[in-house]
Amino acid sequence: AQSVTQLGSHVSVSEGALVLLRCNYSSSVPPYLFWYVQYPNQGLQLLLKYTSAATLVKGINGFEAEFKKSETSFHLTKPSAHMSDAAEYFCAVTVNTNAGKSTFGDGTTLTVKP
Amino acid sequence: DAGITQSPRHKVTETGTPVTLRCHQTENHRYMYWYRQDPGHGLRLIHYSYGVKDTDKGEVSDGYSVSRSKTEDFLLTLESATSSQTSVYFCAIRGQGAADTQYFGPGTRLTVL
Repeated sequence: AQSVTQLGSHVSVSEGALVLLRCNYSSSVPPYLFWYVQYPNQGLQLLLKYTSAATLVKGINGFEAEFKKSETSFHLTKPSAHMSDAAEYFCAVTVNTNAGKSTFGDGTTLTVKP
Repeated sequence: DAGITQSPRHKVTETGTPVTLRCHQTENHRYMYWYRQDPGHGLRLIHYSYGVKDTDKGEVSDGYSVSRSKTEDFLLTLESATSSQTSVYFCAIRGQGAADTQYFGPGTRLTVL
């Protein structure tokens, strides 16, 4: 079975500051890892994903994440926060077994202060 | 945007009544999922489908049933709604591979009084 832990249910940064959202996973087989973003009253949309190619993955809106197998981590970063980045962020893991079902973290709410 | 819609978008019902939520896709994707989202719990899988008439349970399936008679439609039924089923329900679709992105519908906000 796979699992995901997102450290910090709420993260607050100032506009222009570094954004770091943490995600650790557990999986007995090679994982596929995803970051999704959810804006208020909307469904989730993909930010980026790791599918065993490059370990540093670039996504939309200036976000990127690095897959670190030794640390079982897939942290999401953005060099400079923008007010429009305020949203809830979800990390998810999927594997080829287990019918390809995804397991989602509990989410991290990002607040951006002016 | 992926062609995925959910209906209704909002529903208020009373305890003990049956409720059916509909998910419709125009992408011809094989996999379809129903999740519920509750504060502090992220998204939890209720049921999923891997083809017409092929469905299986997720982690929180008690009190829910599903049906998929056509590729494009995946129905979630609460046979007898309870207040604990008050939640936001999301449908998602996915292509063939586990590495494929899931595309989410806009959600249905269900309140059970």
